[in-house]
Order: sequence, then structure tokens, then C-alpha cells
Amino acid sequence: GENVEQHPSTLSVQEGDSAVIKCTYSDSASNYFPWYKQELGKRPQLIIDIRSNVGEKKDQRIAVTLNKTAKHFSLHITETQPEDSAVYFCAASLGGTSYGKLTFGQGTILTVHP
Amino acid sequence: DAGITQSPRHKVTETGTPVTLRCHQTENHRYMYWYRQDPGHGLRLIHYSYGVKDTDKGEVSDGYSVSRSKTEDFLLTLESATSSQTSVYFCAISDSRGLGSRSYNEQFFGPGTRLTVL
Repeated sequence: GENVEQHPSTLSVQEGDSAVIKCTYSDSASNYFPWYKQELGKRPQLIIDIRSNVGEKKDQRIAVTLNKTAKHFSLHITETQPEDSAVYFCAASLGGTSYGKLTFGQGTILTVHP
Repeated sequence: DAGITQSPRHKVTETGTPVTLRCHQTENHRYMYWYRQDPGHGLRLIHYSYGVKDTDKGEVSDGYSVSRSKTEDFLLTLESATSSQTSVYFCAISDSRGLGSRSYNEQFFGPGTRLTVL
């Protein structure tokens, strides 16, 4: 089955710096890659996603890039703010052929220091 | 947040007792999922459903069963709870977007249930 590896497990940055989280996946047939943000004690929230026919997607301060050849994708957060502090999860899916099942990475604890 | 609720939100039980967690959605989404979240393991799929009475196992299904008799409800049962099942349980829902091999599913999560098995 699909395997998703996520790095780093913890990331500490100063407010205003950029943060990058990287994930690799094993199944070349995966076609959908969402990112979730989870604040302490809360549910995971979908913040951005990318499909396999797109190389990059941006939404204000966050962006995701996908390299299908290398089977890795990354989350980029620019101009970080303290409220960006949370656990971030990447995931991969085979899409409709797999009933939308997601395989998650282990998570990255992002801390943004004021 | 999508219209997903979970009940109970917190539960403490003893080893060997049966436990049922409920997930309820008002979005009429076809697919529903149960995950458990443990430190260092991220989110792991327990069971999922692709329609009423259509369910299948995920990667960590041992010790769990599920049922879906209505589109809106997905129940997770621990027949005989063990301490290793102490965890936070999340329900999620999705529907397919796009067509064929390009289809994908955006998943949305419920608020979670914190279960402690003593």
C-alpha cells in the first residue's frame, strides 16, 4: 500500500521567516495530495491541496509544490505568524479508485516564535 | 466546518467493556471514515464506508467493527476495549470530485472523541 514519509518532525522558526515541510510518497498512481493543519485539541483542517496534473498551487501565504517524478511534495509557508503554530499533516490518495482513502504522514510540529 | 458531529466527545471506560462511537453528518456525503490519532503515528485509518451497508477495513482494523445503516450515521464499535485502544478517534467524510482516474475526494473531519480505556 501507499506509504507517506514527512520531514521534519519538528520545525521552529522566527516570525516572518519561511517554513518548508516535505513529504515523499511511494505509490506513483497517487493523484491527490492534501495538507491539514491541526491546532492543539482541535480537528485537522484542510488548508490546501494539489492534484497530480498541477505542479504548484498557491493560496495567499501558503503554497504546495509537487514533483511527480521524484514522488515528493512540499508545503511552503511564507511570512510566518504565531498563529501558524500547529501540527501539519501531509497525505496522499489514489483518488476515486480508492474510495478517497488518505494515507497520512506522521506530522510536523511547527512553532513560530514572536 | 462541515456538518459533522461525533458523540460522545469524551469517554472513560474499563478494559473489557464494549464501546460505541457515533459519527453523524448532515452533508449527505457518500464516503465516511474512522481514524485514530496517536502521538508519533499521525492519523491511521481504521475502517471506511463507501455507501449504506458498504464498509471495509483500513490499516488498523483489529479489535474494531463498524456499521452504516443510514447515509448520515457511521458507528465504530470496540467489542471489548483494551488499553491499547486509548486514543483520539476522528470521523471524516468526503465526496468524489472530478471524473474517472482524475477524481479526488476532499476529506473533512469531525471534532474527535477522546477515549480512555483504564
